[in-house]
Amino acid sequence: ETGVTQSPTHLIKTRGQQVTLRCSSQSGHNTVSWYQQALGQGPQFIFQYYREEENGRGNFPPRFSGLQFPNYSSELNVNALELDDSALYLCASSSGAEQETQYFGPGTRLLVL
Amino acid sequence: QQPVQSPQAVILREGEDAVINCSSSKALYSVHWYRQKHGEAPVFLMILLKGGEQKGHDKISASFNEKKQQSSLYLTASQLSYSGTYFCGILGSNYKLTFGKGTLLTVNP
Repeated sequence: ETGVTQSPTHLIKTRGQQVTLRCSSQSGHNTVSWYQQALGQGPQFIFQYYREEENGRGNFPPRFSGLQFPNYSSELNVNALELDDSALYLCASSSGAEQETQYFGPGTRLLVL
Repeated sequence: QQPVQSPQAVILREGEDAVINCSSSKALYSVHWYRQKHGEAPVFLMILLKGGEQKGHDKISASFNEKKQQSSLYLTASQLSYSGTYFCGILGSNYKLTFGKGTLLTVNP
């Protein structure tokens, strides 16, 4: 059974640029959730995708967008990067059942200069 | 609404016990506990469901008090490997997991 994987592991961008982060869900999971974790804070929910549809969104602006593909892998896109977007971006996969455990990937550390 | 965790940090010697609390102002339906080591992803520990019993594995257990809207994580006879930041997450109606700010646990030899 393959766990959750994310790419790239680290990324450096400049303000105003755009970035795409990728996540492959754990085998058998059809739901992917994305989180932003600033230094010293808990993960903050960005949005969730279930069977290729957005299924819930946190308090993030529209420049944060996502996609889920038929194989349940997912992308997080962030446009017009701001310095405050510097954080660890985590994706978590689950089987989609209510209250189901979410398993996190290793994360992508994004630095915006 | 973000759950409140206490204490913010705790330092133990190997073999000592600790309790980490997680409180919510909203009704709790499930509480998810994770541990995160520095530079790594959060690792799932356990999930407590409304109406469910106390759970545990190895020397880590947790309880869920629906009336008090609180969950507690109990670490017994702590080991060096228990060091890390512990997060509780509460699941909302939109499947959104809202995490607390975390409790930093340090276990020294």
